[in-house]
Amino acid sequence: RKEVEQDPGPFNVPEGATVAFNCTYSNSASQSFFWYRQDCRKEPKLLMSVYSSGNEDGRFTAQLNRASQYISLLIRDSKLSDSATYLCVVLGGTDTGRRALTFGSGTRLQVQP
Amino acid sequence: GAGVSQSPSNKVTEKGKDVELRCDPISGHTALYWYRQSLGQGLEFLIYFQGNSAPDKSGLPSDRFSAERTGGSVSTLTIQRTQQEDSAVYLCASSLDLSPQFFGPGTRLTVL
Repeated sequence: RKEVEQDPGPFNVPEGATVAFNCTYSNSASQSFFWYRQDCRKEPKLLMSVYSSGNEDGRFTAQLNRASQYISLLIRDSKLSDSATYLCVVLGGTDTGRRALTFGSGTRLQVQP
Repeated sequence: GAGVSQSPSNKVTEKGKDVELRCDPISGHTALYWYRQSLGQGLEFLIYFQGNSAPDKSGLPSDRFSAERTGGSVSTLTIQRTQQEDSAVYLCASSLDLSPQFFGPGTRLTVL
C-alpha cells in the first residue's frame, strides 16, 4: 500500500463548480499535512497547510481527519487558472523518522470554460 | 526575497558520464532535500540534510548517487556513470524545521 494515496483523476469540471479531492495516508504517526499544487513542467508550490481544526484560504478549504487518516481539499467557484495537479503531502512519521515529505501521486484538475 | 535556485536548468549527457547538480537553498533554511520526478510520475525522495546532522540517504536509488552540503548552505547532487533510467527532473527544496518546504525550479536531466 502506498504511504499517501490519491485518486489520479482527471477531474473535468466547468468554471464555477465546486470540486473536492480526497487523500488517505497510511502512517498514523504522520505529523504535518499539506496540499501542494503543480503546474505542467513546473515545480510543486505550497497551496496550504492542513490543520486538524480545518482551515480556509479564500476559495480553498482543507480538512484533516486523524482518526480516519484522511485529508481533503475543497475548491469553490473553480477558475480556469485552478487547472493543475494537486498533491497531497505528508511530513514525517515514516519508519526512519525522517522529515522529508511523502507525496501522493497527485490529482489532476481541468477546469473548462 | 530569493527562493531556492538550481543549476543547470537543463542537462543533457551521455550514458556513463558523471553529472553534478547544484542547489542554493533559501537563506537561513536549515533543511535541504533532494527529490526526483520522472515524466508523469510522483515525487521520489532522495536525500535530506538537516543542520549538522548526518544526512538521511535512505532514498538514494543506488551507490552511483551521492550528495554533499557544504557550510550548511549549497548542496551538490552527483550521479556517477549515468544511466538512461536516471533521466528525470531533479528537484531541490529547503525549509525551516517543522515548516513546509519550498522547491526550486528543478534540473531536467536527459541521459542519452
